[in-house]
Amino acid sequence: DGGITQSPKYLFRKEGQNVTLSCEQNLNHDAMYWYRQDPGQGLRLIYYSQIVNDFQKGDIAEGYSVSREKKESFPLTVTSAQKNPTAFYLCASSHVGTDGYTFGSGTRLTVV
Amino acid sequence: AQSVTQPDIHITVSEGASLELRCNYSYGATPYLFWYVQSPGQGLQLLLKYFSGDTLVQGIKGFEAEFKRSQSSFNLRKPSVHWSDAAEYFCAVGSPSGGYQKVTFGTGTKLQVIP
Repeated sequence: DGGITQSPKYLFRKEGQNVTLSCEQNLNHDAMYWYRQDPGQGLRLIYYSQIVNDFQKGDIAEGYSVSREKKESFPLTVTSAQKNPTAFYLCASSHVGTDGYTFGSGTRLTVV
Repeated sequence: AQSVTQPDIHITVSEGASLELRCNYSYGATPYLFWYVQSPGQGLQLLLKYFSGDTLVQGIKGFEAEFKRSQSSFNLRKPSVHWSDAAEYFCAVGSPSGGYQKVTFGTGTKLQVIP
C-alpha cells in the first residue's frame, strides 16, 4: 500500500546536537511538507518542496534545514540553532491539485 | 494572509449524541477547506474537503460539513457520535500555490466521548 513513512517514531537528542528526521513516500506525490505540532498551537509549516532540488521556507524555518534530492524523500534536520526543538514533527505529501495532504505518523523529538 | 479559528479547545459529548465542531476562516477569495482528524500520537487523516459546488459535503466515518460563505464558516457535524470518534479535529484552509495547496491549520478541537 502507498503511504508516507516517518522514522524514527521517537527520537532523543542531547542539547547542541543536530538530528535528522526521515520522511519517505511511495505515492508518487510531487509536493512534500514538514510541520511542527505543539500542544494548543496546531500545525506550523517548517519547509515545503514542490519539485526535486527545490524547497521553500515555511513560517518557522529558523533552526531547521531540508533537502530534496529524490522525489520520494524529504529529510528534515533539526540543528543546534533551534532553541526549542522538543515537539511532534509531521511530514506530508500531496499531488498537484486539490486532493488535500497525506500525512505520515509523525516523529516525537525530545531534547534531553 | 489566510487563517483559521477553532473556538472550542475541548468538547465533550455523550455517545449517540449529535456533534458540531466550529470552524471560521479568513481568506480573500473562495477558500479550499478541509477537516482532518488525529488520534493520539498519530498523523492526520483527511475527513472531507470543499472546493466548490454543493456547500454541504460528505466525508468519511459519517461526517459532513457545511460551507457558509456569509459566516466564513465550515462547521463539521455528525448526527450520532461513537466512542471511536474521540480524537482531535483540525480545520484547515488552503490557497493555491503553483498548482498545489498551501494549507493553514487551526489549533484543533479535542473531542471526548462519554458513555
